[in-house]
Amino acid sequence: NAGVTQTPKFRVLKTGQSMTLLCAQDMNHEYMYWYRQDPGMGLRLIHYSVGEGTTAKGEVPDGYNVSRLKKQNFLLGLESAAPSQTSVYFCASSPRLAGYTDTQYFGPGTRLTVL
Amino acid sequence: AQSVAQPEDQVNVAEGNPLTVKCTYSVSGNPYLFWYVQYPNRGLQFLLKYITGDNLVKGSYGFEAEFNKSQTSFHLKKPSALVSDSALYFCAVRVPGYSSASKIIFGSGTRLSIRP
Repeated sequence: NAGVTQTPKFRVLKTGQSMTLLCAQDMNHEYMYWYRQDPGMGLRLIHYSVGEGTTAKGEVPDGYNVSRLKKQNFLLGLESAAPSQTSVYFCASSPRLAGYTDTQYFGPGTRLTVL
Repeated sequence: AQSVAQPEDQVNVAEGNPLTVKCTYSVSGNPYLFWYVQYPNRGLQFLLKYITGDNLVKGSYGFEAEFNKSQTSFHLKKPSALVSDSALYFCAVRVPGYSSASKIIFGSGTRLSIRP
């Protein structure tokens, strides 16, 4: 049971380049989330998904797209990277949505630098 | 505006002493409250949560937290600190009444440093 895994762990992009971050979970969780972590700002929700084939915007969705074609995978895409997207990105999953009272399980993070 | 505040960027404690990491919130209704811990180069790990019931919640690694509705606080505590407790701690609140994940708000984090 690997939990939540993220690929890649590190990436350096040039402004304007595109990339996709992959998140995978093997816990059969319905809900998955993408956050970004910036110094002094805690975690901010980018997008989330309540099930296969569904996605929704979070607090800071601009410049990002997501897809959930399979229940176990949640992809985060940057179409045209900007320096403001330099951050650490965390994926998380949780077993159910009701009241969002369930614990979130986090991946190890992807450190992205945009030059 | 609904928010979570961790007023201390850093807390320094000697090993063996009690520790407190503070969290206050500003939300309407009865919130759901969480503490997570982040070790270097790792994702966040769940420590404990308060949903309802007893105001004192016990969690992993000997941590506990007390929900105080009148002071809108959810401080994290441990009676005797260990060097291995050194990490970044995040408080989070689930705003009640919304059926949206965007209403989970994380604090800015407090770095806990335990000296031997």
